[in-house]
Amino acid sequence: GEDVEQSLFLSVREGDSSVINCTYTDSSSTYLYWYKQEPGAGLQLLTYIFSNMDMKQDQRLTVLLNKKDKHLSLRIADTQTGDSAIYFCSRRGGGNKLTFGTGTQLKVEL
Amino acid sequence: SQTIHQWPATLVQPVGSPLSLECTVEGTSNPNLYWYRQAAGRGLQLLFYSVGIGQISSEVPQNLSASRPQDRQFILSSKKLLLSDSGFYLCAWRIRGRRNTEAFFGQGTRLTVV
Repeated sequence: GEDVEQSLFLSVREGDSSVINCTYTDSSSTYLYWYKQEPGAGLQLLTYIFSNMDMKQDQRLTVLLNKKDKHLSLRIADTQTGDSAIYFCSRRGGGNKLTFGTGTQLKVEL
Repeated sequence: SQTIHQWPATLVQPVGSPLSLECTVEGTSNPNLYWYRQAAGRGLQLLFYSVGIGQISSEVPQNLSASRPQDRQFILSSKKLLLSDSGFYLCAWRIRGRRNTEAFFGQGTRLTVV
């Protein structure tokens, strides 16, 4: 199965909160990242969390990490139309590999 | 500042033709370099990564190959393209030797094999 898994789609109304979930299998993951991809472009880092942390907040973004369940989530408060994009969960495990999830397409409706 | 260049931006190639995609990084030395493929706008599959000149690790040993002839140059190649090679190819780099560094991505190459 996939090393990092995400749900494929999420639709929210503008102004609501969005929660994008990710599960991973490798417990040796040290750093976990969230990237954003706008249509037809490369990926840009949004935020990251180290595996000894449970939560990290950065303005509208909140990352929650449950190491026991190997579950990572990204909460976007007050979601705006500009937040519409594909969001990738990524982990840095052993060596120099960076593994990405399948991506979650976030659609923000008016 | 560091920048990453990827070209071409779009490419339409017939089945059976060769492929060469190039990626170069400026403003840094000894980067870790990566090639990813994103098929049909979904998922990001690691194809190759490199920690130094001539050092290539293959994750998906299909009909693609990668080379790193210079420190900041990473090339993705194929001798004969298949229809299934169509996708969005992304090059990325990271600072080597530091545990927590983000990956910086190029703008991607949209490859359509016809």
